[in-house]
Amino acid sequence: AQSVSQHNHHVILSEAASLELGCNYSYGGTVNLFWYVQYPGQHLQLLLKYFSGDPLVKGIKGFEAEFIKSKFSFNLRKPSVQWSDTAEYFCAVNALVGGSYIPTFGRGTSLIVHP
Amino acid sequence: GAVVSQHPSRVICKSGTSVKIECRSLDFQATTMFWYRQFPKKSLMLMATSNEGSKATYEQGVEKDKFLINHASLTLSTLTVTSAHPEDSSFYICSARPTSGTYEQYFGPGTRLTVT
Repeated sequence: AQSVSQHNHHVILSEAASLELGCNYSYGGTVNLFWYVQYPGQHLQLLLKYFSGDPLVKGIKGFEAEFIKSKFSFNLRKPSVQWSDTAEYFCAVNALVGGSYIPTFGRGTSLIVHP
Repeated sequence: GAVVSQHPSRVICKSGTSVKIECRSLDFQATTMFWYRQFPKKSLMLMATSNEGSKATYEQGVEKDKFLINHASLTLSTLTVTSAHPEDSSFYICSARPTSGTYEQYFGPGTRLTVT
């Protein structure tokens, strides 16, 4: 079965610091990759996604992620974080299994940005 | 666009009773909807995949007779927790995958279930 690992469970940064959140998955077949964000008190929202093509994808609010197939990774980056980026971040993989895309989520990374 | 609603947002029920949670895609059709359980400080656990007009596919370890899922239309899926117990207390989240378009999901705001 596929799995998703997020290595950083809690990250604390100061504003303007750079951010990189790790995400690795285990599945050898076709995948779609996603990062979702959950701001305090809000529901999950899509940050960015990768289906095919350019492995460097850009999302909302200045976030980007790079798909490195050889490393089974899809790390999330932002060059300069803001206090408003404080949230829970989830990496997710849709794995093509038996003709259907089945989602699997990582356990999430809690990001706190100090002003 | 791509709004998913859940009702109720919070529910408290007594042990042994059943609770129904609704998930609606408000401005798109969703052949596939997913039901998750989110534990404190932990990830989303996929419970089942709900396909319109057919039986839901349950993940390993999820009791299909306890968590009844019905997906009778392209905009509505329901999760019924039958004979609820305190250990069923959790945050239940649904998501909907648009019938047309790419494979992303749009999430509902979740339902907090407390079983006393």
